[in-house]
Amino acid sequence: AQSVTQLGSHVSVSEGALVLLRCNYSSSVPPYLFWYVQYPNQGLQLLLKYTSAATLVKGINGFEAEFKKSETSFHLTKPSAHMSDAAEYFCAVSVTAGNMLTFGGGTRLMVKP
Amino acid sequence: SAVISQKPSRDICQRGTSLTIQCQVDSQVTMMFWYRQQPGQSLTLIATANQGSEATYESGFVIDKFPISRPNLTFSTLTVSNMSPEDSSIYLCSVVGGGGQPQHFGDGTRLSIL
Repeated sequence: AQSVTQLGSHVSVSEGALVLLRCNYSSSVPPYLFWYVQYPNQGLQLLLKYTSAATLVKGINGFEAEFKKSETSFHLTKPSAHMSDAAEYFCAVSVTAGNMLTFGGGTRLMVKP
Repeated sequence: SAVISQKPSRDICQRGTSLTIQCQVDSQVTMMFWYRQQPGQSLTLIATANQGSEATYESGFVIDKFPISRPNLTFSTLTVSNMSPEDSSIYLCSVVGGGGQPQHFGDGTRLSIL
């Protein structure tokens, strides 16, 4: 069975500051890991995915995430926050790339001017 | 990636009624899923919609409450039956195109029960 824990249900940063959203996973098999973003009144948009290739994954909108097996983590970062990054972010795990997803609780990112 | 159209985008329904949500994809996909997102919460998988056969439901979800159809590789419906205020949620369809592709989501159906 898989599970995902996102530390911090709310994160607030200033515009231009580093964004760090934390995700830890538990999986009985090598995991496939994903970050999705949900803007208000919209569905989920895929930011990036880890599928056992490079451990540092680059995604859209300047986001990247690093897979650390020893720490069972897949934290999402962005060097400089923009106001348009304000949204809900979800980390998710699955046993294969196209299988059912188990989601973390989500982190709401707020960006202050 | 596939273009996913979900209808309706939102609805307000009366207690005890049923609503059918449609998910249409512009290309054939291998997998289709239905998720529920309760207010302020994360997403929970309701079921996997299987083409030409009964859906596979997750623990806590039953066919009588959430009947699902998937008549072909581009279309699926989810019905929320005998609705109560506790069913007020966002219901999202997701699809997988195959070949190791990740899931892509529709914009969701925002459902409120009075």
